[in-house]
Amino acid sequence: GAVVSQHPSWVICKSGTSVKIECRSLDFQATTMFWYRQFPKQSLMLMATSNEGSKATYEQGVEKDKFLINHASLTLSTLTVTSAHPEDSSFYICSATKRGGLSYNEQFFGPGTRLTVL
Amino acid sequence: GQNIDQPTEMTATEGAIVQINCTYQTSGFNGLFWYQQHAGEAPTFLSYNVLDGLEEKGRFSSFLSRSKGYSYLLLKELQMKDSASYLCAVREGFYGGATNKLIFGTGTLLAVQP
Repeated sequence: GAVVSQHPSWVICKSGTSVKIECRSLDFQATTMFWYRQFPKQSLMLMATSNEGSKATYEQGVEKDKFLINHASLTLSTLTVTSAHPEDSSFYICSATKRGGLSYNEQFFGPGTRLTVL
Repeated sequence: GQNIDQPTEMTATEGAIVQINCTYQTSGFNGLFWYQQHAGEAPTFLSYNVLDGLEEKGRFSSFLSRSKGYSYLLLKELQMKDSASYLCAVREGFYGGATNKLIFGTGTLLAVQP
């Protein structure tokens, strides 16, 4: 299998605080990890692409100083939402592609983290 | 620009067949994926097309026409548990090499009724 976990599954924080979300590939080495944001009744919007040991590539309109991504190993990437505000409340989902995986190189998704900023 | 369109909602009856369409206009193309997503959960992989034609996988089939920028997902023998959102996603491929970045469509919320 190819299992991706996220921690925490949900978090509630006060406005102005920072929140860290972890994404782990449990049974495989991930060549690349992706971070998405999903607002209610909307589709997934890619925020950034992250490769182990290098800087993340952010999508247009995503503030890299606000959404800090660290990809320290082949099995762990973290997303830190700094100085969170209510408009950052969303469902954050990570995904990973498998080193040596099938030719079409599908993305395996984590269960998501629901962030609520009060 | 990039544009991936799907119907917002569809309703079908248990045991029936439903077709969910997806049209796309992207700067590159290196495959099209269909994912299923239940409310509050992560998307799960259903199918992948990179060449024209039909790919069949049990009750699910997916079709691709690259010249028309069109795909559909066909679900047969619908079950209540098939009620979910279905996401069409295009992987962009740039000249000289492909990235694995996915561009997702808006998603189609399918309601299966008894």
